[in-house]
Amino acid sequence: GAGVSQSPRYKVAKRGQDVALRCDPISGHVSLFWYQQALGQGPEFLTYFQNEAQLDKSGLPSDRFFAERPEGSVSTLKIQRTQQEDSAVYLCASSYRDLAYEQYFGPGTRLTVT
Amino acid sequence: AQSVTQLDSHVSVSEGTPVLLRCNYSSSYSPSLFWYVQHPNKGLQLLLKYTSAATLVKGINGFEAEFKKSETSFHLTKPSAHMSDAAEYFCVVTWGYTDKLIFGTGTRLQVFP
Repeated sequence: GAGVSQSPRYKVAKRGQDVALRCDPISGHVSLFWYQQALGQGPEFLTYFQNEAQLDKSGLPSDRFFAERPEGSVSTLKIQRTQQEDSAVYLCASSYRDLAYEQYFGPGTRLTVT
Repeated sequence: AQSVTQLDSHVSVSEGTPVLLRCNYSSSYSPSLFWYVQHPNKGLQLLLKYTSAATLVKGINGFEAEFKKSETSFHLTKPSAHMSDAAEYFCVVTWGYTDKLIFGTGTRLQVFP
């Protein structure tokens, strides 16, 4: 089937605006992960869901970041009151089993905060 | 703490010559190690993985990597580079019962004709 999809692919927000980034995982994949990739860096873990349960949110950089996966499929990463340091590519990945193996990545959403 | 170090930020090779991308890891536990490739405007793609089976791992597109515990290394190699190999490559570690992948900072591979 189709791979992991993310929308929008590009988002420009003015500082202080709220944004919502969507991830559609591969159908049937139990686990879903969000990563943040700053320019010139490797991706960094943000949060992890197993079905609808958010089991690890230790990587979320501040309480302005919030993620949900209410029906265990589509996930949304929300950033409130965006700041310039939030500019990055946000990557979503899904896995057919729990834990970190065999993650399949989406193309990412490039967020630019002006 | 678990981490990976990619020793070269940029590697340039001529088409048809060997590729070597270096990676060292730090892990207190038995690690699982991966190489991912990222082409521009495309998602990260898994090249190969080591999960405590054979130490020489073969991946897609002719790439392979060897896990050397004594050297804490997991270098990526390919005998003959192709123009389409030009991309960013990430060495990644995870371990035991955990959920997150730990990425290196990446190596940009350039292939010249």
